[in-house]
Amino acid sequence: SQKIEQNSEALNIQEGKTATLTCNYTNYSPAYLQWYRQDPGRGPVFLLLIRENEKEKRKERLKVTFDTTLKQSLFHITASQPADSATYLCAPSVSGGQNFVFGPGTRLSVLP
Amino acid sequence: NAGVTQTPKFQVLKTGQSMTLQCAQDMNHEYMSWYRQDPGMGLRLIHYSVGAGITDQGEVPNGYNVSRSTTEDFPLRLLSAAPSQTSVYFCASSPLGAFEKLFFGSGTQLSVL
Repeated sequence: SQKIEQNSEALNIQEGKTATLTCNYTNYSPAYLQWYRQDPGRGPVFLLLIRENEKEKRKERLKVTFDTTLKQSLFHITASQPADSATYLCAPSVSGGQNFVFGPGTRLSVLP
Repeated sequence: NAGVTQTPKFQVLKTGQSMTLQCAQDMNHEYMSWYRQDPGMGLRLIHYSVGAGITDQGEVPNGYNVSRSTTEDFPLRLLSAAPSQTSVYFCASSPLGAFEKLFFGSGTQLSVL
């Protein structure tokens, strides 16, 4: 069955540093992958999408990579701020449609 | 626009009771879905719909029913609640088509005693 793993349940970093979150998937080949942010008590909010033929995507301080050979996506937040503290979810698509398999998430804490 | 609205925000049920979780969206999205979120397990797809009158099962459909009579509404029914259904439930919607992002509601926290 399809399986999604995110590098760690929790990640603590110092303000100003770059946070790197990892998403690994097995047993399928998604056409694209999305990253979402989730704050406590709220629903996930879309951040970035990257397609299988794209190696890298950027949006402001966010960068996502997608390595279909390694079956891995990396999510980077540069110059991190305490306001970036949240849980980040990766979601590879299933069969290119709207059904996603979500990873368990990584809870990021940016310490001032 | 309100986006995706879920009600209620919190609910406590006794084993065997039934209830309906409501979901409505005002973005004219064809696709709607229900996920449950449990600690350490990520979001798991329960049921989804690609338009009025069309529904299908996701990864964990047992114990849940859905219907889609209008584009706007996609209620989730628990016919006989069980403690294993204690979870946070999220409704999501999107336009149909590849590379579309999901818009989520704020969730319903359900406890079954």
